[in-house]
Amino acid sequence: GAVVSQHPSRVICKSGTSVKIECRSLDFQATTMFWYRQFPKQSLMLMATSNEGSKATYEQGVEKDKFLINHASLTLSTLTVTSAHPEDSSFYICSASLGFENSPLHFGNGTRLTVT
Amino acid sequence: GQNIDQPTEMTATEGAIVQINCTYQTSGFNGLFWYQQHAGEAPTFLSYNVLDGLEEKGRFSSFLSRSKGYSYLLLKELQMKDSASYLCAALDSNYQLIWGAGTKLIIKP
Repeated sequence: GAVVSQHPSRVICKSGTSVKIECRSLDFQATTMFWYRQFPKQSLMLMATSNEGSKATYEQGVEKDKFLINHASLTLSTLTVTSAHPEDSSFYICSASLGFENSPLHFGNGTRLTVT
Repeated sequence: GQNIDQPTEMTATEGAIVQINCTYQTSGFNGLFWYQQHAGEAPTFLSYNVLDGLEEKGRFSSFLSRSKGYSYLLLKELQMKDSASYLCAALDSNYQLIWGAGTKLIIKP
């Protein structure tokens, strides 16, 4: 159980375009989902916490107008990278928990974004 | 401030045992997680400890000492597929995860 599906796994886009990444909890309802970014050989960096039916909470230094997060249902959260630039190229990973305060995060498989 | 320390890299031999240590300093504490991450892939949950002591799951065991702010992940009968990064993460008083930078484990034949 506790499967999180993330799509697409890889995407290449041109500078200035927008990319949408989907994160779905397949067998449980995720009130809260988390979006991380990971640059090569670096640790996971939390970008934002996505709450179903309300606005996402962004970490310091993350531009909310650039990284649009929508969590319209208990099983789907989306991250849209708007006007992407080469420096946005990274590994984006979503995660969700079963909702209990000490329940582990289960991660999607990640999305490798390359902006040319 | 909040901080997680773990070694950057470790090397071990196939079939052997390796222990990856993690020390943490957080504002409050609600448990510690270990994750495995293969290169280019997302992390996979391995273990969760909130009480002192050792939790065993097959070849992997995790230990926690709350008074010392210390945990370790023990991997037995190492296999080549165990080559990966191992991430330590602590839950603070707000149930926010504080991540370590990860330990890259290299297994040699």
